Amino acid sequence: DTGVSQNPRHKITKRGQNVTFRCDPISEHNRLYWYRQTLGQGPEFLTYFQNEAQLEKSRLLSDRFSAERPKGSFSTLEIQRTEQGDSAMYLCASSQHPEKGANVLTFGAGSRLTVL
Amino acid sequence: KQEVTQIPAALSVPEGENLVLNCSFTDSAIYNLQWFRQDPGKGLTSLLLIQSSQREQTSGRLNASLDKSSGRSTLYIAASQPGDSATYLCAVSQPRVIFGKGTRLHILP
Repeated sequence: DTGVSQNPRHKITKRGQNVTFRCDPISEHNRLYWYRQTLGQGPEFLTYFQNEAQLEKSRLLSDRFSAERPKGSFSTLEIQRTEQGDSAMYLCASSQHPEKGANVLTFGAGSRLTVL
Repeated sequence: KQEVTQIPAALSVPEGENLVLNCSFTDSAIYNLQWFRQDPGKGLTSLLLIQSSQREQTSGRLNASLDKSSGRSTLYIAASQPGDSATYLCAVSQPRVIFGKGTRLHILP
């Protein structure tokens, strides 16, 4: 296992287009998190999954955003009708359930979105 | 609502100095607190994790402390080096993980 993998690393799109990011977590991790980070800011929580169940969703996640983790393994984050304000780094992280271990968050390298 | 604050926002110190980064949080009902390092344009690397029942953790030149009752944590870096230059982020787990905005550290050669 080589860690958390995110694809694509960089996406440039025109306003109004849809984009999808994929995250492959560490295989034994059953928690998966999505964050958004803009320049000079800390990561902002978007949503997280316990296996295939989406347990919490931030108010930052508008109706244009949807995340899935259909089989409890990889996850996708889709943004519909992109806006320039969506330009950011989208980070994925995974961990074990906090009651089973130390819940160390392991991050992927991120997917950078640029909306023109 | 949990809020995590990091002070200072930026710090420049000469190489070789010891330094302390501060993190505070408003809700003490946390599972753990984690310190991360982020280099420009890169993802986050975990440095230290302190469980809610622990007071401190050490790794090499890094020492992190946790005072849950007062909602504070510090990251101590000994004998700083230019390679330590990065943004340092703290995050608390409830279980959603909430981050501070980070401290941008620059070590002057």
